[in-house]
Amino acid sequence: GENVEQHPSTLSVQEGDSAVIKCTYSDSASNYFPWYKQELGKGPQLIIDIRSNVGEKKDQRIAVTLNKTAKHFSLHITETQPEDSAVYFCAASLNDMRFGAGTRLTVKP
Amino acid sequence: KAGVTQTPRYLIKTRGQQVTLSCSPISGHRSVSWYQQTPGQGLQFLFEYFSETQRNKGNFPGRFSGRQFSNSRSEMNVSTLELGDSALYLCASSLFLAGEAEQFFGPGTRLTVL
Repeated sequence: GENVEQHPSTLSVQEGDSAVIKCTYSDSASNYFPWYKQELGKGPQLIIDIRSNVGEKKDQRIAVTLNKTAKHFSLHITETQPEDSAVYFCAASLNDMRFGAGTRLTVKP
Repeated sequence: KAGVTQTPRYLIKTRGQQVTLSCSPISGHRSVSWYQQTPGQGLQFLFEYFSETQRNKGNFPGRFSGRQFSNSRSEMNVSTLELGDSALYLCASSLFLAGEAEQFFGPGTRLTVL
């Protein structure tokens, strides 16, 4: 089955800096790659997703890039704010959703 | 539009007991997926139901089972509870199969097994 690896496990940045989280997947047939943000006491919330026929997608301060050849995809958050502090999960899907282990992002004011 | 609701939010059980968790998807959504979240194993896929049929199943023992009703509401059951079953159980609903449409997660049910 699909295996998703996510790095780093923790990330601390200063407010206004950029944050990058990287994931790799094992099944080249996976075709859907969402990113979720989970705040304390809540379920994960989709923040951006990308499909295998697209190389990059952007939504305001958030962007995702996908390299199908290398089987990796990344989340980029620019101009980080304290409210971006949360745990971020990547996932890859073919027949079911497989998640990375998560990255705890801390944005220091 | 109401989000995904899960009941109960918190549950304490003892080893050997069984438990049933409930999930009400967003109105109109036909797919419900269940996940187990633990600090050590992260988010792990349990199973997905679509139009009352189990479409996919993760790598969990047969003690974990589920079903979906005609109104798309779903339940999952865990029998003969073990300490290691303590976790946050999340359900997510989507219009179509997971991977074809955005999944919306509920707040989860926190299960503690003593």
